[in-house]
Amino acid sequence: LAKTTQPISMDSYEGQEVNITCSHNNIATNDYITWYQQFPSQGPRFIIQGYKTKVTNEVASLFIPADRKSSTLSLPRVSLSDTAVYYCLVGDGGGSYIPTFGRGTSLIVHP
Amino acid sequence: DVKVTQSSRYLVKRTGEKVFLECVQDMDHENMFWYRQDPGLGLRLIYFSYDVKMKEKGDIPEGYSVSREKKERFSLILESASTNQTSMYLCASSLFGSSNTEAFFGQGTRLTVV
Repeated sequence: LAKTTQPISMDSYEGQEVNITCSHNNIATNDYITWYQQFPSQGPRFIIQGYKTKVTNEVASLFIPADRKSSTLSLPRVSLSDTAVYYCLVGDGGGSYIPTFGRGTSLIVHP
Repeated sequence: DVKVTQSSRYLVKRTGEKVFLECVQDMDHENMFWYRQDPGLGLRLIYFSYDVKMKEKGDIPEGYSVSREKKERFSLILESASTNQTSMYLCASSLFGSSNTEAFFGQGTRLTVV
């Protein structure tokens, strides 16, 4: 499985846009990039997934450059409730896919 | 609404006890997983299963076993609980054979072994 590297922590303020970048230099051709969000004392929940270019949903955007060796999760106009740990995962998403989590990025949003 | 349900949110057990953590999913998913989460270590995979009566070891299986007698239920067993098994335990499920798999997690069980 491709290894991912992301910042341990980030700080932001309400109303700002937050971009969290994940490096995955060894990403394979069939790998998708998936981001999860985890609030304290809860299980992670899926935010967004992409393969290339840009994906947007009601929660976030995911930007993936042409070489796919990194990806950026973008959270527009964060609020205090976006304070959470964000995990970047890569994998082929096939039948035998095992979600493998690193330490994630702890985002703290300040008033 | 899809759901993965873990039997307990909080559990306190004594050292040496046999502990069962139960997980049930209602999405007819083939894949089920057990993780533990400790501060600063992220989620670590204990065991997983792709089918009924099938199990595979994850990264940290020592001291644990699992059971999957029915597709919807995946149980984690601590044969003889020890204090170093105090942790948050998370169960997840996902579809088999999907090209863009999303894993669904339960709310977690915080186990304290005293």
